[in-house]
Amino acid sequence: DAGVTQSPTHLIKTRGQQVTLRCSPKSGHDTVSWYQQALGQGPQFIFQYYEEEERQRGNFPDRFSGHQFPNYSSELNVNALLLGDSALYLCASSRGYRDRTFYEQYFGPGTRLTVT
Amino acid sequence: DAKTTQPTSMDCAEGRAANLPCNHSTISGNEYVYWYRQIHSQGPQYIIHGLKNNETNEMASLIITEDRKSSTLILPHATLRDTAVYYCIVRVHSGNTPLVFGKGTRLSVIA
Repeated sequence: DAGVTQSPTHLIKTRGQQVTLRCSPKSGHDTVSWYQQALGQGPQFIFQYYEEEERQRGNFPDRFSGHQFPNYSSELNVNALLLGDSALYLCASSRGYRDRTFYEQYFGPGTRLTVT
Repeated sequence: DAKTTQPTSMDCAEGRAANLPCNHSTISGNEYVYWYRQIHSQGPQYIIHGLKNNETNEMASLIITEDRKSSTLILPHATLRDTAVYYCIVRVHSGNTPLVFGKGTRLSVIA
């Protein structure tokens, strides 16, 4: 059973450019969350998608946007890249959005984005 | 902001128990204590969670004080592969509530 997969593994972009990161959730999972992890810091929540809609959002500007597809996979888009956007971007999947039973979040290995 | 306080780093000898403390003095009645760890170059991995009773699974044990203001994660026989950053998180018990990470504790297991 494949876990959470992310692509690409590494990416180098120039300031001002746009980037798209991709995530495929673990089999059976329908909810995808994105996190940003700067060097030496813990991951910070960006947003969460369920049923192809953004359900929750952290304290990130509108330059960060996303999408979820009918097969539950997801994309994270960042426009007008800044040097400060350099980070590890993590995708996490889970299931049962409307269920209050605990379902742990499974994380992918991340995409390392470097903005120069 | 994270609702927990953890030491920045700890060392543990291989084969010994690793005890990682966490303070969460403002925890609410409906919040659970969760532990995740992040091995270098990987995404965080769920370890264990609990409300007020001690919990044990194949990876670790979680001891929560009676007033719930602090807890300890115990790795009974630490190995080199347990070297990682360990995050203590308090969170409402809902699988899709976002995780709020602090800086965690960097555990180094030494041979």
